[in-house]
Amino acid sequence: AQTVTQSQPEMSVQEAETVTLSCTYDTSESDYYLFWYKQPPSRQMILVIRQEAYKQQNATENRFSVNFQKAAKSFSLKISDSQLGDAAMYFCAYNGGGADGLTFGKGTHLIIQP
Amino acid sequence: EAGVAQSPRYKIIEKRQSVAFWCNPISGHATLYWYQQILGQGPKLLIQFQNNGVVDDSQLPKDRFSAERLKGVDSTLKIQPAKLEDSAVYLCASSPWQARLQETQYFGPGTRLLVL
Repeated sequence: AQTVTQSQPEMSVQEAETVTLSCTYDTSESDYYLFWYKQPPSRQMILVIRQEAYKQQNATENRFSVNFQKAAKSFSLKISDSQLGDAAMYFCAYNGGGADGLTFGKGTHLIIQP
Repeated sequence: EAGVAQSPRYKIIEKRQSVAFWCNPISGHATLYWYQQILGQGPKLLIQFQNNGVVDDSQLPKDRFSAERLKGVDSTLKIQPAKLEDSAVYLCASSPWQARLQETQYFGPGTRLLVL
């Protein structure tokens, strides 16, 4: 079974600084998808960024980028120029393809200090 | 485009009572998921529907949980009887379906259940 591990229960960063959230996963598959979801206190889960495993280029979405290391099974999220609105729980998630459900990590609580 | 709708937003019940949650996915989305998110953990998939058929219910506690998606649109998740450990947020998500391609899942606001 696939597992997703987020080893940082909580991270804190100053506003306008850069922060990196870690995620590792375990799978025997070669094709899969990885996601970072954001869950603000209102609890609506929102997609931040996604990465297809067959793509070597790291995904980027404005201030959000990933460092995907397939051999190391690592998928970290970098947030540049942190903003107060970035404060939330961040979940790393794995999907083996098709329309299967997601396997989530336990999440990282990101605190933005003004 | 309207998002995934869920109701109720909050529910408090006594143990051994029954409860039902409702989800209306994004229009046209063929796939619907129910997740359970216990406090301090990531969501866990309970059941997945493709149109009105069940694709995966391997993690659904079938002795007390049931779900249906009549007509392939709305879905209802029921717990009967509820236990204290069922206290959680129940998230519904939907996605369009395309073979061999993982479409993004869109989540609803969730229903927070407290079992006393």
